[in-house]
Amino acid sequence: DSGVTQTPKHLITATGQRVTLRCSPRSGDLSVYWYQQSLDQGLQFLIHYYNGEERAKGNILERFSAQQFPDLHSELNLSSLELGDSALYFCASSRGAGGLFYNEQFFGPGTRLTVL
Amino acid sequence: EDQVTQSPEALRLQEGESSSLNCSYTVSGLRGLFWYRQDPGKGPEFLFTLYSAGEEKEKERLKATLTKKESFLHITAPKPEDSATYLCAVQGRGGSQGNLIFGKGTKLSVKP
Repeated sequence: DSGVTQTPKHLITATGQRVTLRCSPRSGDLSVYWYQQSLDQGLQFLIHYYNGEERAKGNILERFSAQQFPDLHSELNLSSLELGDSALYFCASSRGAGGLFYNEQFFGPGTRLTVL
Repeated sequence: EDQVTQSPEALRLQEGESSSLNCSYTVSGLRGLFWYRQDPGKGPEFLFTLYSAGEEKEKERLKATLTKKESFLHITAPKPEDSATYLCAVQGRGGSQGNLIFGKGTKLSVKP
């Protein structure tokens, strides 16, 4: 158990819909990262928050957005869903901001999203 | 562009048959190289961080080493419970700092 929690574990929805994925980081960690894992692409970085502020964006679609709240939990919002958005979504947390130290990222169990 | 290539894609070993997994990388200033283990349908489990060429780390039957261009994960006398996908990732100084660039992994199967 990494100490990172994600809900829900599974999500089945229809094209065009909107969903919210939730992540609680390990105690003491200030950074939250979101990744998407599909069979053909592997793990792809989406977005990074540190202590409530957005730090970096990766290959995140405009239909996707995220935020980190004052209690440090984070939510990833996916809208206008398409079949190709079906994937495993992981969040990870670390103590540091992505600088020289405390960069180990600990991953949650993931949310499996299926878009029908 | 930061890039990670892992080989082989899949590796089948007999129990007790030692081997190595390779991770080749190109990155604009390495902050760290990370090894993870991932079981099917689960989140990646952190194994090691390596920061500089020549560094080595060990954990049970696993030993990770780092050079300026690649990293190896050596598995000594593997057991069936070592079967998993092993992921390598790098964190660079440029671009989007903090995030990890992952390889596609090596799927290891250890038969009794």
